[in-house]
Amino acid sequence: AQSVTQLGSHVSVSEGALVLLRCNYSSSVPPYLFWYVQYPNQGLQLLLKYTSAATLVKGINGFEAEFKKSETSFHLTKPSAHMSDAAEYFCAVSFSGGYNKLIFGAGTRLAVHP
Amino acid sequence: NAGVMQNPRHLVRRRGQEARLRCSPMKGHSHVYWYRQLPEEGLKFMVYLQKENIIDESGMPKERFSAEFPKEGPSILRIQQVVRGDSAAYFCASSPPTGEYEAFFGQGTRLTVV
Repeated sequence: AQSVTQLGSHVSVSEGALVLLRCNYSSSVPPYLFWYVQYPNQGLQLLLKYTSAATLVKGINGFEAEFKKSETSFHLTKPSAHMSDAAEYFCAVSFSGGYNKLIFGAGTRLAVHP
Repeated sequence: NAGVMQNPRHLVRRRGQEARLRCSPMKGHSHVYWYRQLPEEGLKFMVYLQKENIIDESGMPKERFSAEFPKEGPSILRIQQVVRGDSAAYFCASSPPTGEYEAFFGQGTRLTVV
């Protein structure tokens, strides 16, 4: 069975500091991995995705994530946080079974303070 | 190209009433997914539909919930005899028929049962 664990339901950083949001997955087949961002009362926007190409994936808004098979991780990072990055972030996994059924983590709420 | 359109954005129903949530996928997308987000939780998969077919309904509650995606018109998620526990945000996502491992999300319908 597939699952996603996001460590830390709340993360707080200073503006300009490194952002690190952790995601570990469990999958019995090669996974596809995604990070989505959700702003208050909005839908989900795709930040980046890993689909078995390069293990370091660059996304929008300066975010990137690295797929580490040995650690079953797909942590999201950004070198310098902006106030506008404050939102909820979801890691998700699907598998190469032919369709895009996503299994989501519980989410991490990122706060950015001046 | 308009994104995934969901309506209504907000829906209030009294206990025992029916709720109908609509989702129009992106142009050219024939796959639709419904997810539910309970307060302070991640999204949970409910159902996956293609035109006129339910492909995977493993996340649908056994009673009161149904979904359809007719040949013409939007996909409908129907909840009969709503209860307070149905209060949640319901998100629809769509994807193309082949190749892309990315689902595009609508802005959601926030259902409140009073």
